[in-house]
Amino acid sequence: AQTVTQSQPEMSVQEAETVTLSCTYDTSESDYYLFWYKQPPSRQMILVIRQEAYKQQNATENRFSVNFQKAAKSFSLKISDSQLGDAAMYFCAYRSVLGGATNKLIFGTGTLLAVQP
Amino acid sequence: DGGITQSPKYLFRKEGQNVTLSCEQNLNHDAMYWYRQDPGQGLRLIYYSQIVNDFQKGDIAEGYSVSREKKESFPLTVTSAQKNPTAFYLCASRGQQINEQFFGPGTRLTVL
Repeated sequence: AQTVTQSQPEMSVQEAETVTLSCTYDTSESDYYLFWYKQPPSRQMILVIRQEAYKQQNATENRFSVNFQKAAKSFSLKISDSQLGDAAMYFCAYRSVLGGATNKLIFGTGTLLAVQP
Repeated sequence: DGGITQSPKYLFRKEGQNVTLSCEQNLNHDAMYWYRQDPGQGLRLIYYSQIVNDFQKGDIAEGYSVSREKKESFPLTVTSAQKNPTAFYLCASRGQQINEQFFGPGTRLTVL
């Protein structure tokens, strides 16, 4: 079974600085999707960024980028020029490309990011 | 606007009572999901449905039931058999050609 591990329960960053959140996963599949979701205090889950495993190029969305290391099964999120609105819980998630029972999101336990003014 | 709605936002229940959480989407998505969120445990899948009139158990289905009579609606019933129902419940949906799931705003259930 696939697992997702986020080893940093809490992180802190100064406004305008850069922070990297770590995520590792375990799978025997060769093709899959990886996601970072943000959950602010409102508790609404918001998709931050997505990576397809077959793509070698790291995904980027404005100030958010990932470092996808397939062989190491690592998927870290880098937030550049941190803003106060980035303060939230961040979840890493895995999804198989197969359909049926495996077509679900598997979440890590989350990293709570604080942004200091 | 297209999106997913969940109601109510807060729900209180006495022990021994069943309660139903609503989830509605107007995104024309085929697949819908229910997750439970507890502190320090991330999100865990309760039930999911790929098409109308069909649904499958997730990882923690015991004490819960669902129905999928309409494409837009996927209500979750928390039964009295659920031993620890106090949690935050999130509903999500996904379209056939879309890789990511979109989430509703959630319902906080508290058992008194």
